[in-house]
Amino acid sequence: DTAVSQTPKYLVTQMGNDKSIKCEQNLGHDTMYWYKQDSKKFLKIMFSYNNKELIINETVPNRFSPKSPDKAHLNLHINSLELGDSAVYFCASSRGSPQETQYFGPGTRLLVL
Amino acid sequence: SQQGEEDPQALSIQEGENATMNCSYKTSINNLQWYRQNSGRGLVHLILIRSNEREKHSGRLRVTLDTSKKSSSLLITASRAADTASYFCATGHGANSKLTFGKGITLSVRP
Repeated sequence: DTAVSQTPKYLVTQMGNDKSIKCEQNLGHDTMYWYKQDSKKFLKIMFSYNNKELIINETVPNRFSPKSPDKAHLNLHINSLELGDSAVYFCASSRGSPQETQYFGPGTRLLVL
Repeated sequence: SQQGEEDPQALSIQEGENATMNCSYKTSINNLQWYRQNSGRGLVHLILIRSNEREKHSGRLRVTLDTSKKSSSLLITASRAADTASYFCATGHGANSKLTFGKGITLSVRP
């Protein structure tokens, strides 16, 4: 069983479109994250939710909106996609504190044309 | 920036050799973690060392932490081709704040 899963794995879309990425974890963890990894492999946190409440909200354009319907799911919706949004987006989870061991999903490779 | 900085940026060794990777950080930490990322995959946690610990082992991995020098090293002994990956250190600072990742080290192990 996959611990942290993301869909889709690949996403190719045109500039200006709106898209969503879904994430689910079956580890029973309370905290979930969205990270963006750029072409130089730099990993930057975007958001974190603990038990459906937003606890980390980095400087990210308003076009990015996370949503956590329950503590096992954290989705990411992106409006009006731009070329610079092209990256790999990783979902992760941890049992509690963000400083505990984090478990990562396989990533969603987003390419904006 | 509190971000950990790994060095070297890239390392190429022969199978069977040991690989040593270093991470330095600027402000005091609660813990430091090492992660591995294989090409096209998500990050996998390797080891966590707390600020009051000096050394930890896990299989062929050995991590040391020197808080006076604000640095950590990851040693992989008897490397294998399958160890080829990017390795990231991540530091936790303050109370319940985010984990901050370094830029990563690309390790290539030649068979």
